[in-house]
This record gives sequence, C-alpha cells and structure tokens, in this order.
Amino acid sequence: EVQLVESGGGLVQPGRSLKLSCAASGFTFSSFAMAWVRQAPKKGLEWVATITSGGSNTYYPDSVKGRFTISRDNAKSTLYLQMDSLRSEDTATYYCAKALTGSLFDYWGQGVMVTVSS
Amino acid sequence: DIQMTQSPASLSASLEEIVTITCQASQDIGNWLAWYQQKPGKSPQLLIYGATSLADGVPSRFSGSRSGTQYSLKISRLQVEDIGIYYCLQAYSAPYTFGAGTKLELK
Repeated sequence: EVQLVESGGGLVQPGRSLKLSCAASGFTFSSFAMAWVRQAPKKGLEWVATITSGGSNTYYPDSVKGRFTISRDNAKSTLYLQMDSLRSEDTATYYCAKALTGSLFDYWGQGVMVTVSS
Repeated sequence: DIQMTQSPASLSASLEEIVTITCQASQDIGNWLAWYQQKPGKSPQLLIYGATSLADGVPSRFSGSRSGTQYSLKISRLQVEDIGIYYCLQAYSAPYTFGAGTKLELK
C-alpha cells in the first residue's frame, strides 16, 4: 500500500523559513517523480514543485521560484520542500504527491498545514 | 501558461442522475489531463488519467472524454458517496495547472 506522510508544518513568521518532509513507503520511491501541491484555506489546488526520479531536474511555478527548493533522498525514501522568505500568501495545506506519469499524480499524502503570520 | 477553465463552479444533482463536468484548456494539451475528487477534510483522489483512463479502484460509473481541447468527466449514475469537489489538472507543460473546481451537491 502506497503511503505518503508529510511532516514539518506549523506557524511561522513572514520572512522566515520552514522545511517540510514527506516519508514514502509501499512503492519504489527512486523510480518515480514526486511533487508538492498546496491548497490555501477554502481555495483550490496549486502545483508548487516537481522533482524527477533521480533528483536531477526540478520545476516550479513563478509564485515560488527562487524561494522554495524541492529535493529528495532516495536512500531514505523521503521528499523535502525547503521554503524560504515565506509570505502570508504561502499559508496553505501542503500535499506530497507521487507521479503516475509526467506530473499526473496518483497518490497524495494527508497534507500538512503551514501558516505564515506574525 | 495554460489556463484550465472548469465548469460549472457548482452543481446540484439527484441520486442516479447523470452528471457532467467540463474543463476547457487554453491550448492543446493532448491527453495530459487528470480528474480528481476531493471530499471535505481529505486529500484529492485520482479518478481519471490520460483524459480517458480509469484509475485503479474507481467505480466504472466514472468516465472521461476529450473533444479537441475540451475535456469532460461524466458520472453515469450519481451516488451519495460521489459528493465532493472535482478538479481537473493539466500536466502537458509547466506550470501545471488545476481547474478552479466543481462543487457537487445532492439535490
């Protein structure tokens, strides 16, 4: 059974940093691209970052480019999201997602809440 | 960026009714489209990928179709467990974009 378990969320002040983790199990982690998707309170879904299976290529939308960094440790089956220079508009539930093919995601974690506020 | 225009924004339907939700892509995305269902307080669940392929474990009353750059999700006989918010996702080119969502309620 595929499991994705996010951690590391919480309350953080604007301008500060936070690092999210996603522990994966139930599949060969190193064989699949992975991604982060977020959802602001009562809002829709927004793609945040994708990393290829080997970790050599990463992709971001303009809204987080230069501030967020996606990475992975295939030996630990863990995905990360380093979030720097956080803004109030980054407040959201962050989901870790496994790619089925390309950036079509087939499994999602339960999500972790990040609140950016002073 | 590719825009995904999803309609309707909300929909009220009766049990056993046929329901159709559409997403219009602003440019060609081939079959790089997926549909997700999200229930309150839960993470999204994959229903359809590749525009028309049914994900594992998804009931056969769900189906996806494509006509040019318009994509549709059809629920052939609405059940109570189908209530939730539905999203489309284009994965043809970054930035990957979701539709705004369709809230499906029981009449």
